[in-house]
Amino acid sequence: DTGVSQDPRHKITKRGQNVTFRCDPISEHNRLYWYRQTLGQGPEFLTYFQNEAQLEKSRLLSDRFSAERPKGSFSTLEIQRTEQGDSAMYLCASREGPGETQYFGPGTRLLVL
Amino acid sequence: DQQVKQNSPSLSVQEGRISILNCDYTNSMFDYFLWYKKYPAEGPTFLISISSIKDKNEDGRFTVFLNKSAKHLSLHIVPSQPGDSAVYFCAASARGGADGLTFGKGTHLIIQP
Repeated sequence: DTGVSQDPRHKITKRGQNVTFRCDPISEHNRLYWYRQTLGQGPEFLTYFQNEAQLEKSRLLSDRFSAERPKGSFSTLEIQRTEQGDSAMYLCASREGPGETQYFGPGTRLLVL
Repeated sequence: DQQVKQNSPSLSVQEGRISILNCDYTNSMFDYFLWYKKYPAEGPTFLISISSIKDKNEDGRFTVFLNKSAKHLSLHIVPSQPGDSAVYFCAASARGGADGLTFGKGTHLIIQP
């Protein structure tokens, strides 16, 4: 039984570039979440999918952030025109149903120079 | 405004003693609460959860207590072990998790030998 996986684990980019992160949830989990964590803070919720439907996206930080889950399996989070303030750990989590625990992946650490 | 507060940034406990980590929340819509443990450069690992219909949940060395009237929960670890040294996050959800989890800022637990 594999857990949530994320790729890449680390990304260094220059300001203004676009980046895309991938998340593969636990196979039977139909709910998928993206979070951002900055230094000294807890994870901050960004967006939520149930199967391929994005049910909550108002918490995405700006219109430069977008997420997809085209076939209800893996998901991608894209940040366009990156800024230094986007440097953070981006976490993905999945769960099986309502009221169930969310299980987190190892995260993608982004550094924008 | 922080809806989930962990007021102790750090806590030092002697090995073998009880560790008590505290968490307060303000949103009365929260109905599910979780504790996660996090090591540096890794994603949060689920420890234990509690539904708002209960006031206690126990799993091995870990017990979570919920006081709804005080909007307070606590995590007890007995006995504390060196491997318990990590950052502990309290998290809460409402509406079946459709809004994602709301996290506190974490408490760094240090177990002294």
